[in-house]
Amino acid sequence: GAGVSQSPRYKVTKRGQDVALRCDPISGHVSLYWYRQALGQGPEFLTYFNYEAQQDKSGLPNDRFSAERPEGSISTLTIQRTEQRDSAMYRCASSWAPSSGRAATQYFGPGTRLLVL
Amino acid sequence: DQQVKQNSPSLSVQEGRISILNCDYTNSMFDYFLWYKKYPAEGPTFLISISSIKDKNEDGRFTVFLNKSAKHLSLHIVPSQPGDSAVYFCAASARETSGSRLTFGEGTQLTVNP
Repeated sequence: GAGVSQSPRYKVTKRGQDVALRCDPISGHVSLYWYRQALGQGPEFLTYFNYEAQQDKSGLPNDRFSAERPEGSISTLTIQRTEQRDSAMYRCASSWAPSSGRAATQYFGPGTRLLVL
Repeated sequence: DQQVKQNSPSLSVQEGRISILNCDYTNSMFDYFLWYKKYPAEGPTFLISISSIKDKNEDGRFTVFLNKSAKHLSLHIVPSQPGDSAVYFCAASARETSGSRLTFGEGTQLTVNP
């Protein structure tokens, strides 16, 4: 079956522009997560959803970052007025259930590499 | 505040030998731990997990050990194979307080030499 997909795979933008990153989770997965990964580091939590409800956005660095999942499936992470420090790999993950043992395992997509010039 | 730490950025092992990757954590609320493997240009792939009610979980060549008192976990790969060469991330969650968000370590690059 299809895994988590993300688009675009690469995005180059100029400072000050808005970008929208898309995540398509594994079919039937309830929870969807966004992480940001700097070079040489592990993924860092940004936000997550159960169905269409945003459960935790404490990892979003500032109010230029927002995310939505209006129908409980595809999600979009939007960064407004991009800055060079936003350059990173943005990863999406999904899990079948929010918690409880193996069901909480998160499956990651290939990521979107964002470069802000 | 790095709550999950992998102190070895790299590890090199001969094929057929044991690989031991280590991970330390500081948050006593963590109750579920996972190891992910990552190849270049791909997303992290789930490898094995362990709940805090256990101290060992085994899956084929991979075994994860959890020492709650020391706040330490390790991943053992026996025997190591060249295809195991990848970056390994340790991750933890504190489901009671932080839901299912994962906190990751920095990763360890494992190289298995033929």
